[in-house]
Amino acid sequence: QSVLTQPPSVSGAPGQRVTISCTGSSSNIGAGYDVHWYQQLPGTAPKLLIYGNSNRPSGVPDRFSGSKSGTSASLAISGLQAEDEADYYCQSYDSSLSGSRVFGGGTKLTVL
Amino acid sequence: EVQLVQSGAEVKKPGESLKISCKGSGYSFTSYWIGWVRQMPGKGLEWMGIIYPGDSDTRYSPSFQGQVTISADKSISTAYLQWSSLKASDTAMYYCARTYSGYVPFDYWGQGTLVTVSS
Repeated sequence: QSVLTQPPSVSGAPGQRVTISCTGSSSNIGAGYDVHWYQQLPGTAPKLLIYGNSNRPSGVPDRFSGSKSGTSASLAISGLQAEDEADYYCQSYDSSLSGSRVFGGGTKLTVL
Repeated sequence: EVQLVQSGAEVKKPGESLKISCKGSGYSFTSYWIGWVRQMPGKGLEWMGIIYPGDSDTRYSPSFQGQVTISADKSISTAYLQWSSLKASDTAMYYCARTYSGYVPFDYWGQGTLVTVSS
């Protein structure tokens, strides 16, 4: 059981907008620690998608956006494309576990 | 160009020992933490632990404390993950990844090392 909770799967048609939630607690997201998002395409290593709750690294399309409120965060993907089909993970820091980074369980995005 | 290059796939028997590596290049290896992340077949990412090669300060996830050892040799810009006695349940893909501090993300990842433990 992951410290951060994500829905196991989401889906959407090309061109649509989907959101993926990431729910934590008062020792991680609720404590003010930043949330980061990673995209893992099939058979590849994870890639940083969003950092510091809502910032995109260079090269990440602006179709991807992130937000955070209270003990939760969200990743939104607009203008869905077939190549967005991947697993998405949220990650934060947890003050109750020394030095611990924590991941969400991951969400499989299917583009219909 | 920042790169983390991991050692190749391993096939081992239960009870054997193993040490896999992660070599950093294109940046100051001693100024960034290197973390290790496990991904079991068909499952999600699990943070195992992290090391600061500058002074070898090491932290472990409670789930992995005592199960693995993380080390680094800054003279060759390489971090390691090792097991003294492998179990079938250690079968997984293992990734190393770089981070500047506890609160910032893992910005560069290795390509992964697949470890298969089977009798």
